[in-house]
Amino acid sequence: ETGVTQTPRHLVMGMTNKKSLKCEQHLGHNAMYWYKQSAKKPLELMFVYNFKEQTENNSVPSRFSPECPNSSHLFLHLHTLQPEDSALYLCASSQELAGGTNTGELFFGEGSRLTVL
Amino acid sequence: AQSVTQLGSHVSVSEGALVLLRCNYSSSVPPYLFWYVQYPNQGLQLLLKYTTGATLVKGINGFEAEFKKSETSFHLTKPSAHMSDAAEYFCAVSERPGANSKLTFGKGITLSVRP
Repeated sequence: ETGVTQTPRHLVMGMTNKKSLKCEQHLGHNAMYWYKQSAKKPLELMFVYNFKEQTENNSVPSRFSPECPNSSHLFLHLHTLQPEDSALYLCASSQELAGGTNTGELFFGEGSRLTVL
Repeated sequence: AQSVTQLGSHVSVSEGALVLLRCNYSSSVPPYLFWYVQYPNQGLQLLLKYTTGATLVKGINGFEAEFKKSETSFHLTKPSAHMSDAAEYFCAVSERPGANSKLTFGKGITLSVRP
């Protein structure tokens, strides 16, 4: 396994279902991110974890619940979603260095395509 | 607040023709600028970035971009398009050094390459 791996690649769920998206990074990075990509809209940053601590939550509805058990794994738990939540959910990682500097590069997974019926 | 404008949603060029994808930004401090590419059914991949120093930045696959502070632009170019360049391209800006969490993306431009 290399890079950033996301599972499942495709997910169809009803509005009353509970499901989870999983992300695993094999790059030794210490920061992980969830982005939402909807058609014809800019990427929306949802959550950021640095050293397993959540540092960003951009007003994301509580029906999305992130979990970061260690620096290599990131989950997005989904509960009672709405049809407008259908989108591509992208996980990314980066290496945050001391002093807040890094290479400026995010490494993305291939995404999980979510359809809410 | 920072923002990115990518005018238009689709650019079509012939194979071998010049590729020009426009990006304008707004930022209250000197920005870090990025171009990412997304091929079908894949995640985003970094093409190139500008942080400091030389304003003409070269990236992968023959792409380059020039930071023009006076025009607040960071347009992406490639002298000769290849069929494999067909993808979606995203410009992004960050105001804080090392602050990937503050990356703001544009809406993206779809590049089509005609044979």
